[in-house]
Order: sequence, then structure tokens, then C-alpha cells
Amino acid sequence: AQSVSQHNHHVILSEAASLELGCNYSYGGTVNLFWYVQYPGQHLQLLLKYFSGDPLVKGIKGFEAEFIKSKFSFNLRKPSVQWSDTAEYFCAVTLYNTDKLIFGTGTRLQVFP
Amino acid sequence: DVKVTQSSRYLVKRTGEKVFLECVQDMDHENMFWYRQDPGLGLRLIYFSYDVKMKEKGDIPEGYSVSREKKERFSLILESASTNQTSMYLCASSSAGSGTENTEAFFGQGTRLTVV
Repeated sequence: AQSVSQHNHHVILSEAASLELGCNYSYGGTVNLFWYVQYPGQHLQLLLKYFSGDPLVKGIKGFEAEFIKSKFSFNLRKPSVQWSDTAEYFCAVTLYNTDKLIFGTGTRLQVFP
Repeated sequence: DVKVTQSSRYLVKRTGEKVFLECVQDMDHENMFWYRQDPGLGLRLIYFSYDVKMKEKGDIPEGYSVSREKKERFSLILESASTNQTSMYLCASSSAGSGTENTEAFFGQGTRLTVV
């Protein structure tokens, strides 16, 4: 079955530190990839998405992600985090021939001033 | 703005009760989803609907059913609530067309259900 793995469950960083959150998926065909973010008390919202083309995708708030097909990975990065980035981050995937959206287990990020 | 509205933010129900969670979207989206969110387990798909009266089981459909009689409304039904169904339930919607720029899911605020 299609699955999404996020290996970092809880990440604690100081402001200005660099961030990389891992995401791997198990499906070998064409996929669409997403990162969603859930700020405390808010609903999930899209951070960035990959459909095709340039494997380096830029999203909102300075986030970017790189799709590496050979590694089945879509890691999220930010060069310098801020306290306001404290949130839970979810990687998600849809297969090319379906709109069914499958999520990973999430990574809780805490950023301290 | 896309709006996905869940009928209740908080619900407390008794074991064995039949529970209805309602979700309405206002963007004419073909797809609607129900997830449950639990700490450490992320979002797990319960059911997915890609059209009126059409549904597909997700990863954890046991103990749940769904209804989609109108395009804008997707209901999750707990036939006989149990304590292990205590969770945050999230509804989402998206337009059809996997592989296009428009495929993005929009989420409701969630319903925190407690079964006692």
C-alpha cells in the first residue's frame, strides 16, 4: 500500500538554525507531493507542492523542498527558522491517477527564541 | 476564499451512540475527505469521496460510514461510538484532476470528539 514516512517526530531548534525535515514515500509511479503546515490552533494549510518540472520547489515563508525521485524523497528545508515557524508539518502524496491524499505521521517543530 | 466548515468544534458522546459529523464546502469541489488526527499518528484517511454518492475506503474505515448525497456536503457516521474513536476529525475538499496545479486540499477547523 502507498505510504508516507516522516522520520523526525519532534524537532527542537533555536531561531536562525537551519531546518531539514525528511519525507519518504513508498510508491514507485508518478506522484504529486505536498507539505502542509498546522500552526497551533489553526487548520492545516498548504506550504508547497510538487507536480512536475523543477524538482526544487519554493513555498511560502521561505520554505523549499527538493524532490529526489531516485530516493523517493521530498525533504523540506528552510535556511533560517523563526519562532513563528513553530508548528506541525505534514508531508502528503497523491498518486497520478487518483486524487486520494495520503499523509505522513507529521513532525512537530518547536523553535525557541 | 475556499471555506470548509465542520458543524461542531467539540462533541462529547456516550459509548454506543450513533454520531454524525457534518462537513460543508463552498467551492464546488468534487473530492471530499475525512481524516482522523491523533498524536504521533498524523492524519489517517477514513473515507474519500470523489463524486456525489461515490466513496472509497481509506486506511481506517472500520467503525465508520459516510454519506454524500449532495456535492457540497460529506457526512461521517460513527455507527456505535467507542472510546477508541475519541480523536480530532478533519474534513477536507479538493478539486478533481490529480496532476494539475489545482489539486490542493483545503481543510476545516476540525471536530474534537470525545466518547465517554
